[in-house]
Formats: sequence, structure tokens, C-alpha cells
Amino acid sequence: SNELTQPPSVSVSPGQTASISCSGDMLGKNYASWYRQKPGQSPLLLIYQDSKRPSGIPERFSGSNSGDKATLTISGTQTLDEGDYYCQAWDNNVVLFGGGTKLTVL
Amino acid sequence: QVQLRESGPGLVQPSETLSLTCTVSGGSISISYWSWIRQPPGKGLEWIGYISYSGSANYNPSLRSRVTISFDTPKNHFFLRLSSVTASETAVYYCARHKGYGQTTDSFDIWGQGAMVTVS
Repeated sequence: SNELTQPPSVSVSPGQTASISCSGDMLGKNYASWYRQKPGQSPLLLIYQDSKRPSGIPERFSGSNSGDKATLTISGTQTLDEGDYYCQAWDNNVVLFGGGTKLTVL
Repeated sequence: QVQLRESGPGLVQPSETLSLTCTVSGGSISISYWSWIRQPPGKGLEWIGYISYSGSANYNPSLRSRVTISFDTPKNHFFLRLSSVTASETAVYYCARHKGYGQTTDSFDIWGQGAMVTVS
């Protein structure tokens, strides 16, 4: 189906590793991107083309994509990493976003 | 540094046409692809469509019959028009720059601050 599925929420303790998954039939053969959105702010691009980081994004953000699942991994999670995370991919020349995952650091 | 800013009416009546402008500063509209994306309150992101630097457009199939994206190159603006809106289309509307050229490798690297549009 042409949709991207994310878990609604993920919790992690400070300093630990957080993993957020994104499932979709088009993944693996199409690139995945990841965004973080904090309340009242616009989305921020974290990862593009599966695993590349834009300038200014810390190395503790990494991405992978294999089969029908893409994963965003945040190492050494900090409280400032809290927010909503969205995956994005293309399918038949249409942009899709996942439903979003709320990351809580506690 | 490229910056985007959305502008337009914050209130639109049902069945009317929503019109928004995205002003691009710090760079030329003629060398990138540009999209509109919306987000209903408390919900996720939905891509509306894009326009290329050459003027070709591509729309979300669910909105294709009602949406038009165009641009004004001299003014470095691009526009969104969405007709026959309903209350469920109340959302924050974002304009965004493609990191890429309309290919299926594209992501969105620069976003505007968003414009809240209420349909009521």
C-alpha cells in the first residue's frame, strides 16, 4: 500500500539510544528522509537519502533503509531531542509522510 | 541564506478558494523545485504538490482536481490555490524548498514558518 507507518510514540532515557521505525512497501527501493518538529516550529530535515546528514545536524543522528523499513537512530539522546519525528519517501512521483512519532526523553 | 515566508488570508469560507503566497528571499526561485505541505492541528504532514523552476507542476492525486501551484519569477514568489475548501482543510500551510530536482530522491531542506488557515 502507498503509505508510511510509524509507531505513535517512543520513549527513551537520557543518554540512551532511540530508534524510530518507518514501514512502507516503497522503502528499500526509494530513499527515506527524516524530519523533527518541535511544538510551534516548522519541520527540520535531519536525514536525507537514507543516511546523509545536512550541514549542522549532529553525528548522533543516523539513518538506514532496508527491505520495507527505514530507521532513524539517535545515539546519546538528549532532552532537547524531544519532538515529533516524521519519515518521508516518494512513491510513484508522489510525496508521502509517515504519521509521525512522538519522542519522549525521560 | 534562502528563507521562505508564507502569506495570505487566515480565514477562508467553506466552498471558497484558499490562496497563499510564498516569498523566497536570499536565493532565486528559478533554480530549485518548490512544494506546498499542510498540517491540520494536532495531525501529521500532507504534501500538496510542487512546481519546478521551469514551471511544470505535480500534485497529490487526492487534491489534483482542486489545486494549482504557480510562480512569479521576477517577484521570486510562488503561489498555492486550492478551490472548494472544507472545514477539514483547516491547517498550517507550509512552503518548502526541495533538496534535489523533483526526483524521487528529493527531501525538503528549507521550510517557511507556516501560515495558519482556518476554513469557517
